[in-house]
Amino acid sequence: NAGVTQTPKFQVLKTGQSMTLQCAQDMNHNSMYWYRQDPGMGLRLIYYSASEGTTDKGEVPNGYNVSRLNKREFSLRLESAAPSQTSVYFCASKDSSSYNEQFFGPGTRLTVL
Amino acid sequence: RKEVEQDPGPFNVPEGATVAFNCTYSNSASQSFFWYRQDCRKEPKLLMSVYSSGNEDGRFTAQLNRASQYISLLIRDSKLSDSATYLCVVLSYNFNKFYFGSGTKLNVKP
Repeated sequence: NAGVTQTPKFQVLKTGQSMTLQCAQDMNHNSMYWYRQDPGMGLRLIYYSASEGTTDKGEVPNGYNVSRLNKREFSLRLESAAPSQTSVYFCASKDSSSYNEQFFGPGTRLTVL
Repeated sequence: RKEVEQDPGPFNVPEGATVAFNCTYSNSASQSFFWYRQDCRKEPKLLMSVYSSGNEDGRFTAQLNRASQYISLLIRDSKLSDSATYLCVVLSYNFNKFYFGSGTKLNVKP
């Protein structure tokens, strides 16, 4: 099992460009999440999907859109990138058992110039 | 007010020391509690879940005090390999959202 995979690992954008971050999990988890991590601020939830076909806003959704393409895949789109979106982006999925463990992808390091 | 608050540290301790981290959470309806470990420039990984009765995993002991909305992590006999950032994580009452503390950095020195 690959677990949670993310592409790309690194990306540099210019202000105003758009891009999509891809995430896939092979653990048959219902719930998937997108976070951003900035220095000294911990992880902040951007969007989440509790199950296939549903998505909900997290703490910091402005400037982002998401698509839960199927049970495996959850993508994050930046329509018009801004320097404030420079961050490390993590995708995660959640175990549906009573343990509720989250599994994270390796992250995407995004720089917006 | 932040959902989860932690002392950012860093905690600089010698090998073999015992170190304790604390965390408070604001929503009394929160359901589940965790400590995650994050190495530099890596993804977070689950260290242990935290139960009301307290739980231990080798050198690590976690405690939850629901009345005070307080979570702790105790590391005994620190190893160099314990150097990392420790994240306190709380799962919301509806089991959908996780809230992360900003992390406590631990440096274990020879």
